[in-house]
Amino acid sequence: EAQVTQNPRYLITVTGKKLTVTCSQNMNHEYMSWYRQDPGLGLRQIYYSMNVEVTDKGDVPEGYKVSRKEKRNFPLILESPSPNQTSLYFCASSLSSGTGGAGGTQYFGPGTRLLVL
Amino acid sequence: KNEVEQSPQNLTAQEGEFITINCSYSVGISALHWLQQHPGGGIVSLFMLSSGKKKHGRLIATINIQEKHSSLHITASHPRDSAVYICAGKNYGGSQGNLIFGKGTKLSVKP
Repeated sequence: EAQVTQNPRYLITVTGKKLTVTCSQNMNHEYMSWYRQDPGLGLRQIYYSMNVEVTDKGDVPEGYKVSRKEKRNFPLILESPSPNQTSLYFCASSLSSGTGGAGGTQYFGPGTRLLVL
Repeated sequence: KNEVEQSPQNLTAQEGEFITINCSYSVGISALHWLQQHPGGGIVSLFMLSSGKKKHGRLIATINIQEKHSSLHITASHPRDSAVYICAGKNYGGSQGNLIFGKGTKLSVKP
């Protein structure tokens, strides 16, 4: 089954304790992206990757890191989480066809709900 | 400043009604997505379009790139259409990977 998986689905942590949220897709998609969703602010893009070893900042990259060593995986790293990073996080992927990159149909993971105390 | 504006923010309809959700953007967009977020939180892509009109079942999406406007229509609405609908634009001339989102329209369809 074609899918995007995220782990963990729920996480409670404390300020400053490094954490990684994994994202994996089995559709051989070139493009992958991370978003956060907050009440009243909607979805905002954190980082994206056009292909292996190619990453770029979205609109809210501060406090986050990413890497794309393999095509299927795009982990999101919070080196020193703070309470303002409490949010619902989504990973998505798409083929870079047609208009390319973010222009392809987006496939979303199920979301990771993070609480930073 | 949100460069992608959706209206209305909230919408309540009776089953069977024709529904329209609008999306306007202040920057040039080369492609626009319509997404549906279920009450459980999952997000699915409904349409991606860069011109004209697309139809899938009871859903129709239109876009006018020159007027910087897109609409999502639902015909013969049903309670299972209750969800948040989100439009997102890919910047024209900007980074290939950047997506800008509207804040969503919460639709509730009453039986």
